[in-house]
Amino acid sequence: DAGVIQSPRHEVTEMGQEVTLRCKPISGHDYLFWYRQTMMRGLELLIYFNNNVPIDDSGMPEDRFSAKMPNASFSTLKIQPSEPRDSAVYFCASNSDRGSETQYFGPGTRLLVL
Amino acid sequence: QKEVEQNSGPLSVPEGAIASLNCTYSDRGSQSFFWYRQYSGKSPELIMFIYSNGDKEDGRFTAQLNKASQYVSLLIRDSQPSDSATYLCAQGPGGTSYGKLTFGQGTILTVHP
Repeated sequence: DAGVIQSPRHEVTEMGQEVTLRCKPISGHDYLFWYRQTMMRGLELLIYFNNNVPIDDSGMPEDRFSAKMPNASFSTLKIQPSEPRDSAVYFCASNSDRGSETQYFGPGTRLLVL
Repeated sequence: QKEVEQNSGPLSVPEGAIASLNCTYSDRGSQSFFWYRQYSGKSPELIMFIYSNGDKEDGRFTAQLNKASQYVSLLIRDSQPSDSATYLCAQGPGGTSYGKLTFGQGTILTVHP
């Protein structure tokens, strides 16, 4: 299996621009998670889906952030408009409820908003 | 209030020594606990998970869980420079919910030759 796939790996954009991050979970996994990691705040859960349905979005910082999962193999995290404080590494992770609660992380998208 | 607290680092140990990483948690309902390792610039990867009180060993790694004290630790025996990384403790959800992990801030470990 190819593991969790994220794109792009790096993104540099200017304040006010729309940013879309993409994730393909491991095939067969029922859960998909979006995290943000910064030095100050550590690894924070933003939102997670079960069977393509958002379960908990309490970690989404504000209305500028939105996430979708139109099918079992694809999810997006969108920031519109982006701000410099959104600069972070964004990880996608997935797991299956047929095993342990182990989450498998993608390589991350390093976002810099200028 | 943070739900998962890790001992402040960074932690530095000599090669061959035992590294001890500690974590406390506040949710008594949690049934599962995880240790992830994250190398600089990389994504977290699972080292071990533990569900039951006591010790769980995997090679040079031992996870210890004490639910009464709400404490979980990770011991790394015969530490190697390649163990230098940030170690993240995470607790699983309590009750019947599934999937959501809460991570600590991480402890940076440096193993020096």
